[in-house]
Amino acid sequence: GEDVEQSLFLSVREGDSSVINCTYTDSSSTYLYWYKQEPGAGLQLLTYIFSNMDMKQDQRLTVLLNKKDKHLSLRIADTQTGDSAIYFCAESKSSASKIIFGSGTRLSIRP
Amino acid sequence: DTAVSQTPKYLVTQMGNDKSIKCEQNLGHDTMYWYKQDSKKFLKIMFSYNNKELIINETVPNRFSPKSPDKAHLNLHINSLELGDSAVYFCASSQDLGVYGYTFGSGTRLTVV
Repeated sequence: GEDVEQSLFLSVREGDSSVINCTYTDSSSTYLYWYKQEPGAGLQLLTYIFSNMDMKQDQRLTVLLNKKDKHLSLRIADTQTGDSAIYFCAESKSSASKIIFGSGTRLSIRP
Repeated sequence: DTAVSQTPKYLVTQMGNDKSIKCEQNLGHDTMYWYKQDSKKFLKIMFSYNNKELIINETVPNRFSPKSPDKAHLNLHINSLELGDSAVYFCASSQDLGVYGYTFGSGTRLTVV
């Protein structure tokens, strides 16, 4: 079945690394995504990873995929106040044409 | 600006009314979507159109009717609005069925009173 799960909240200190975790149930998921939603705004695609990859890095963002455990993580290095947002994990299959979203993790930054 | 544009941004209306939300994308994408985000921020797909043809229709009440006059537009019409329809509705678009992700509009906050 289709299910993507995330913890609801994460609080980190400014300058530290943030790690947001996600688990999914569908082993046929082929594409996995991280989206960011700032207050009052739409979702912004941060990065994506294909299921044949283990890791993807893009500046301060590192995505790790453990396909065996169906676990995806997003690491944000040197977290800044502008990183405060809700982060959504999402997945889709090559044969389908819809993205299934997790419930989102609200990241808050403390000084 | 290349973008996905939705109008209106806010919509407050009474129960029983009929309303429409419009969406336009100038990205040249071939697929468009409507998602509903509830008060707990949970996002659920409602509809998807590829080249003006309906390809996804989730379990949405038939009071909701999407219309795609061309590839660049996907409008959502809602009849007989109910309190439970209150949510933020997001339009999105993608190329090639969204393998590389979607581009979202900024949302329409619908409040039914």
